Amino acid sequence: DAKTTQPPSMDCAEGRAANLPCNHSTISGNEYVYWYRQIHSQGPQYIIHGLKNNETNEMASLIITEDRKSSTLILPHATLRDTAVYYCIVRAKAAGNKLTFGGGTRVLVKP
Amino acid sequence: GAVVSQHPSRVICKSGTSVKIECRSLDFQATTMFWYRQFPKQSLMLMATSNEGSKATYEQGVEKDKFLINHASLTLSTLTVTSAHPEDSSFYICSALGTIQETQYFGPGTRLLVL
Repeated sequence: DAKTTQPPSMDCAEGRAANLPCNHSTISGNEYVYWYRQIHSQGPQYIIHGLKNNETNEMASLIITEDRKSSTLILPHATLRDTAVYYCIVRAKAAGNKLTFGGGTRVLVKP
Repeated sequence: GAVVSQHPSRVICKSGTSVKIECRSLDFQATTMFWYRQFPKQSLMLMATSNEGSKATYEQGVEKDKFLINHASLTLSTLTVTSAHPEDSSFYICSALGTIQETQYFGPGTRLLVL
């Protein structure tokens, strides 16, 4: 799987949009971009994934650049409960569906 | 939908004993389940991939005789830590991949403490 680069940490203001960047410059054409988050002492929670097009669900929006070398996860209105480690992962559908977790971004939402 | 459970949520055992952890997909069938381990302040590390009805595939450096994995049905996989030692103390997390899904859903994790 392609490696990803994320900032180690970032702070966000409660009620504001949180924009979490991820670089995946070596992504291949058949690799998806997945986002998970892990709240302290819990298992990771699936957020969203995409291949080429931007995606939106009830939790977040995923913006993928045209060259697919980077993406941004957007939490539209951050709440204190969104404080977590956010992982950006690229995964090839054929690679046994394995997920390789990097360091992620530790997001702290402040009142 | 897509709920994965683990049991127990936490376990304390004596060194040398074996511990079994169950992972269940509650509302979907999972042809493939994964087992991860997470040490404090570190990221998740994949231990093995478990396919229903076949032998598990272990990642490099993971001892298959120490971490026994059984995936006997489409909704249950078990991880047995044999002859546990204090260095096996960790947070063990499973995930399940549905038969028609592309997404892994994770369980809540099991915290193991070996004394």
